[in-house]
Amino acid sequence: TQLLEQSPQFLSIQEGENLTVYCNSSSVFSSLQWYRQEPGEGPVLLVTVVTGGEVKKLKRLTFQFGDARKDSSLHITAAQPGDTGLYLCAGARYGGSQGNLIFGKGTKLSVKP
Amino acid sequence: DTGVSQDPRHKITKRGQNVTFRCDPISEHNRLYWYRQTLGQGPEFLTYFQNEAQLEKSRLLSDRFSAERPKGSFSTLEIQRTEQGDSAMYLCASSLQGLEAEQYFGPGTRLTVT
Repeated sequence: TQLLEQSPQFLSIQEGENLTVYCNSSSVFSSLQWYRQEPGEGPVLLVTVVTGGEVKKLKRLTFQFGDARKDSSLHITAAQPGDTGLYLCAGARYGGSQGNLIFGKGTKLSVKP
Repeated sequence: DTGVSQDPRHKITKRGQNVTFRCDPISEHNRLYWYRQTLGQGPEFLTYFQNEAQLEKSRLLSDRFSAERPKGSFSTLEIQRTEQGDSAMYLCASSLQGLEAEQYFGPGTRLTVT
């Protein structure tokens, strides 16, 4: 059983469209990170959310942490080909190990020009 | 550039051989982590260090795997008697101490066991 479920697994859209990807769990997390990963490279940190209900914006990307700190979403406005990549959410489980980030399987996004 | 670096980037080895990977963390970070990522999966935690102390090991880390961080700076991950199932991307990350400390990843070492 995957502790962090990401949906959709794959998403192929045209440039200019909006999209939302989801990260859900039955566990509570003390913090949640979103990463983007290109093929053959390590994940690059986009944002960390810590407080339930928190919303953070990074240019065209909007991240939200659920009120109960069990889920998160990433919304991209007017997607561009440069947004193509694997989006991973990762959580530090509340009350769990301080070292162990738990990752979802990721959402593979393809933005076509 | 003062990000996390890993060496080598790619390693092809024959089954049964030993391999060693190196990770150099961001200099002021006292925590260092190793993860493994296979195709279609997110990274899975293997182990982490705070300074030179190895504080946690996953059950994924079999007896054939050993990690060290002798002086609290760089770390090595050794796999003995490699198996085909060890083929994966091995990722290193570092962070400051703290519950909400952000982990920054290196580019990874892609291991292929033939």
